[in-house]
This record gives sequence, structure tokens and C-alpha cells, in this order.
Amino acid sequence: QLVVTQSPSASAALGASVKLTCTLSSGHSYYAIAWHQQQPEKGPRYLMKLNSDGSHNKGDGIPDRFSGSSSGAERYLTISSLQSEDEGDYYCQTWGTGIRVFGGGTKLTVL
Amino acid sequence: QVQLVQSGVEVKKPGASVKVSCKASGYTFSSYGITWVRQAPGQGLEWMGCVSPYTGNTNYAQNLQGRVTMTTDTSTSTAYMELGSLRSDDTAVYYCARSSHDFWSGDDAFDIWGQGTMVTVSS
Repeated sequence: QLVVTQSPSASAALGASVKLTCTLSSGHSYYAIAWHQQQPEKGPRYLMKLNSDGSHNKGDGIPDRFSGSSSGAERYLTISSLQSEDEGDYYCQTWGTGIRVFGGGTKLTVL
Repeated sequence: QVQLVQSGVEVKKPGASVKVSCKASGYTFSSYGITWVRQAPGQGLEWMGCVSPYTGNTNYAQNLQGRVTMTTDTSTSTAYMELGSLRSDDTAVYYCARSSHDFWSGDDAFDIWGQGTMVTVSS
């Protein structure tokens, strides 16, 4: 069964870097995912599509501070030079034949 | 620019139906699908289903089968999501998103999102 798992929360200091993780279920380690950001009281915004080889395609206007990488079944979103507006929820999303799945989201706090 | 603009706030009584619209602009409407996602208060994102404006084909989440209908009007580049037999746990923000035109193959990253429509179900 295709499932993606995220840690519920993460925190990092203003100006620092943070790495968020999305883990694909067993047997699905080669799947691509997408990362979405949801700032408080706003709708989701597409950040990037991330492939199993670590290559990624960012959405329009997404700053260079956002990058993606992969290792096995793990998909990462790294945000560098953290700013206050990076605070919010981050969701990974994936797809398979006849199925679309969201992770539970990671709440990022910028200290 | 490419955008999806949704209809406004809705308040409905239990048992009623609601129809939310999503107007696309800035791209060829029939070249992409429209996916609907909802978010209950304080909760995560839930995929509801999708529709292809080109073929009219739909795919719905199993837990909503029989209550949800997704349609499109290509003459106005507008997608619609109708949910019937509303219950209190349908209270949520409903989002449309641009998705793949082909549900059964290829990538499907939702790359454009609407601003959301709050639907409250209360007696």
C-alpha cells in the first residue's frame, strides 16, 4: 500500500537550515513526490517535484533557498537561510496507478 | 498568469448539497486535470478526486463515492465539485488544484492551487 510518512514537527533558528523528511512505504522507494508549503491561514503552494534520483523541478517563483534531495525511500526538503515566512506546514504528496496520497504534514517553527 | 479562482464561502444544513466552482485562467484548460482536496479544521490534506476536462472522466476517493460529483465546463474553463448529503464532518476548506490530465499514468504533482472555499455544515 502506497503511504508517505512525515514527522509531525520540526524547528530551527532564523537564518539556519532545516531538512524535512518524507518516507515512502516499503516497495515504493523509486516513486517521485511533490512538496507543498502551507503558510498559516493560507492555501497550499506547490514547491517542487522531487524524483528518486534527487533531481527536482521547482514551481515558479520558488526561491533558491528551497532544494530537494533523495536517498532510498527518503525524500528531503532542505530550506536554507530560514526566514520567518517559512513557518508553516509542509506536505509531501505522491501518486501511483489509481491512487493519490498526502503525508500528514510537518509543522515547521522558525525560532 | 496561471491561476485557479474559487467561489466563496458556503454555509449549509446537514443533508443539503453544496457546489463549489473553480475557474482556470492562463493555460489551456483541457490539457490538464482538476483535482479536489479538502482540509478539515486543524487537519491535513485529503484527496477527494479528480476530473479530466478533455474526456470528462472522473476518479473519486472511495469514502466519497456516491456523494461527490466533479464536472467541468470547457466553454468557461470552470470546474465544479458537488458534495451531497452533507454532514458536520464535511466542514472543511475545499481546494481545487491543477493536476495531470491522465489519472492512470505519468506524474501528477499538483502544481497550481486555488485559494480555497470554506464550507460549513451546521444546523
